[in-house]
Amino acid sequence: AQKITQTQPGMFVQEKEAVTLDCTYDTSDPSYGLFWYKQPSSGEMIFLIYQGSYDQQNATEGRYSLNFQKARKSANLVISASQLGDSAMYFCAMPRGGTGNQFYFGTGTSLTVIP
Amino acid sequence: KAGVTQTPRYLIKTRGQQVTLSCSPISGHRSVSWYQQTPGQGLQFLFEYFSETQRNKGNFPGRFSGRQFSNSRSEMNVSTLELGDSALYLCASSPGRDRQETQYFGPGTRLLVL
Repeated sequence: AQKITQTQPGMFVQEKEAVTLDCTYDTSDPSYGLFWYKQPSSGEMIFLIYQGSYDQQNATEGRYSLNFQKARKSANLVISASQLGDSAMYFCAMPRGGTGNQFYFGTGTSLTVIP
Repeated sequence: KAGVTQTPRYLIKTRGQQVTLSCSPISGHRSVSWYQQTPGQGLQFLFEYFSETQRNKGNFPGRFSGRQFSNSRSEMNVSTLELGDSALYLCASSPGRDRQETQYFGPGTRLLVL
């Protein structure tokens, strides 16, 4: 079964600095994907970035990039030039094996951006 | 395209009552998944519907049920509410063709059981 681990319950970053949020995973699937979501206090889960296990390059989406290290089974999210609006919970997720659409989520990291 | 919508956004119920939550997916998406989020248990998968059929089910008691209509809109029902059912209920939609596809979430329904 898939497992997602996020070991940082809370993180602080100065505005305009970069921050890395950790995510490690475990899966027996030969092909898989890793997702990152942002959840502001309003509750909605916002999709940020996706990395496929066979992608040759690390994914990037604007200020978000994914530091994917397949051998170490880690998929860390890097946010560059942090903004106050980045303060939120961040979740790493991956699909379950088999058919259908079901995600396993990590426990999340609460990021606070300090002015 | 309009995003995923959920109604109602907030609900207050008492123990023993039942509740129905609604989710309208992104146009063209045929898969709708439901998740329960609590501070203690985090995000837990409830079930997924695809083409009006339940395709996956999480580890929740039978009090939690759902259905999907021909227009892909989905409802979930919780009967005989317990205090522990207080949670944020999120639904997510995706095309439903590939398990690696991105799931897009709605704003959630916050349920408080008194």
